[in-house]
Order: sequence, then structure tokens, then C-alpha cells
Amino acid sequence: GESVGLHLPTLSVQEGDNSIINCAYSNSASDYFIWYKQESGKGPQFIIDIRSNMDKRQGQRVTVLLNKTVKHLSLQIAATQPGDSAVYFCAENRDQAGTALIFGKGTTLSVSS
Amino acid sequence: EAGVVQSPRYKIIEKKQPVAFWCNPISGHNTLYWYRQNLGQGPELLIRYENEEAVDDSQLPKDRFSAERLKGVDSTLKIQPAELGDSAVYLCASSPVNTGELFFGEGSRLTVL
Repeated sequence: GESVGLHLPTLSVQEGDNSIINCAYSNSASDYFIWYKQESGKGPQFIIDIRSNMDKRQGQRVTVLLNKTVKHLSLQIAATQPGDSAVYFCAENRDQAGTALIFGKGTTLSVSS
Repeated sequence: EAGVVQSPRYKIIEKKQPVAFWCNPISGHNTLYWYRQNLGQGPELLIRYENEEAVDDSQLPKDRFSAERLKGVDSTLKIQPAELGDSAVYLCASSPVNTGELFFGEGSRLTVL
């Protein structure tokens, strides 16, 4: 069935390392993707987005890569910090009007000092 | 700027009791969403409003769930009667017109005993 999912439920890294969180999507019609960060007890927080006409977008310490050929999305976090510890969700948009986000299951990132 | 405000943050009820959640979106955001997030899962859309109109309620269990956004600003989500499986975090989000970036509230955690 159609879904947005993540390859690994957990990822553990050392402070200062680079982190890569992966996501696979199944609907080739999706044209907008967002990464959200959710800390314990809080709502998801927007990190970065990318549209299907792009294959890479950079923010502050974060980079999102989109590979439409294999329907794969990744979030790269440079110099991971303890404050980056959270659950990361990818979400896709399947609505032409641009507002119906479908979320994947999430990857828990744990950063140790 | 104030973010999305939800209340209550926590609610514990016995099964078969009613419960209601309230959401105040970011000022000027026409689109409002209610999502449900089960433990360890990504948020799942329940209903989406454009101003006061529910434009997508296909995932809302209408036998026991209801929602309203009478004046196109605040919204309430009601469950009556609650069942054990309704235990989850209920997230409200809002977005400006024609953007896919959702701003989430802290959520209302419901426990049904």
C-alpha cells in the first residue's frame, strides 16, 4: 500500500558525528516533502522541506536529499549535538492543493556525548 | 508570535466518558488540522479545515468523533463515548494559505482507562 516510511526506527551517534536519517516513499505523485523533529512531550517542529523539482536543499547544519528515481529521501545533520536527540519524521504531500501531509513512522535519534 | 495553543495538555478519563480538546491556531492561518498520534507512530490526519469548512474528514471516525470550527478560528475536537483505543496524543496544527508547512501545538495527551 502507499505509505511514507523510514528505514530504521533508531539511530545512535556520537556528538560531533554526522547523522543520516532515511525515508522511502511509495507515491511517485508526491511533490512536496518535509522533515519534522519531535522532542519528547512536544509537537513536531518543521526542519526543512524540499519540492520534487529539486534534489538537494541545505539549511543550517541540515541537508535534505531527494532521489525521485528510487523514491528516497534523506536528512543529513552535520556535527550532531545532544540537542538534536529527538524523533524525526518525514512527511509527504499528495494533495495538489498542497496541504495534506502524510507522515511516516519516525526515526529516534540518540546523541551521546 | 504566539504558536498554536492546545488545551488541555493531559486528560485521563474512563471509557464511555466524553472528552473535548480545544485548539487556537496561529493568527491569520486559514488552514487547521487535527492529527492523532499513537505511541511510537507518526501523526495521522483526522480532519482538515479551510476557514470554517471541513475539506477533508475522510479519516475521522464519525460514529464517535466530531469537530467544529464555527468562526474559522478556534476549533474543538470531541470524542463521545471514548474507547480504550482512543488513548493517544491529539495534535492541532495550522498553516497559512497555500503552504505545506504545518505549525503544530504541543498536543493533548488522552488516556482512557
